[in-house]
Amino acid sequence: NAGVTQTPKFQVLKTGQSMTLQCAQDMNHNSMYWYRQDPGMGLRLIYYSASEGTTDKGEVPNGYNVSRLNKREFSLRLELAAPSQTSVYFCASSGLEGGPNGYTFGSGTRLTVV
Amino acid sequence: AQKITQTQPGMFVQEKEAVTLDCTYDTSDPSYGLFWYKQPSSGEMIFLIYQGSYDQQNATEGRYSLNFQKARKSANLVISASQLGDSAMYFCAMRRSGGSNYKLTFGKGTLLTVNP
Repeated sequence: NAGVTQTPKFQVLKTGQSMTLQCAQDMNHNSMYWYRQDPGMGLRLIYYSASEGTTDKGEVPNGYNVSRLNKREFSLRLELAAPSQTSVYFCASSGLEGGPNGYTFGSGTRLTVV
Repeated sequence: AQKITQTQPGMFVQEKEAVTLDCTYDTSDPSYGLFWYKQPSSGEMIFLIYQGSYDQQNATEGRYSLNFQKARKSANLVISASQLGDSAMYFCAMRRSGGSNYKLTFGKGTLLTVNP
């Protein structure tokens, strides 16, 4: 089925370890996003890519890096994981117009940093 | 900058009754879109309803309607005839229109519990 695929679904890291969250979409969308969700905080934007070849910081970019590998793939990297990065991470994509039905979310990655 | 405020951390409603979830927003953009998403305990984000800032009529989608009051900058979600399956977290979100940046800004959410 068409949509946004995130891997892995669950991950436990030790403080200081690094990892990359993968995201791929087959919607032919131009824009892709990484959000984190914490209890009582809603979804906060970490980084986004308005189009292939561009990336920009969102609201909470510290401690993260991203790569827009191609139009389909947008990865999120934690270089030195910290307990404060324990969260649920969502990848999303949207079409050029970003219209009412234009956003598709992945199923999320639950990350725990111990 | 855009900001979404949801002042109700939790709401309770009896099955078959209607419930209103509040959302106010702040933006300097003349054109924008407002969204409501549902997140059940399984975690996926489900799109419910959309309202464009220039839409003349309030949006409706089945049992969901959006009470859009532009002058008051509010976009409340009304769920009619609540069902047990409506128990979930609900997020209000907005985006600017135009340009190439369509990022969504979310509120903190309201946890709705439907009682039998």
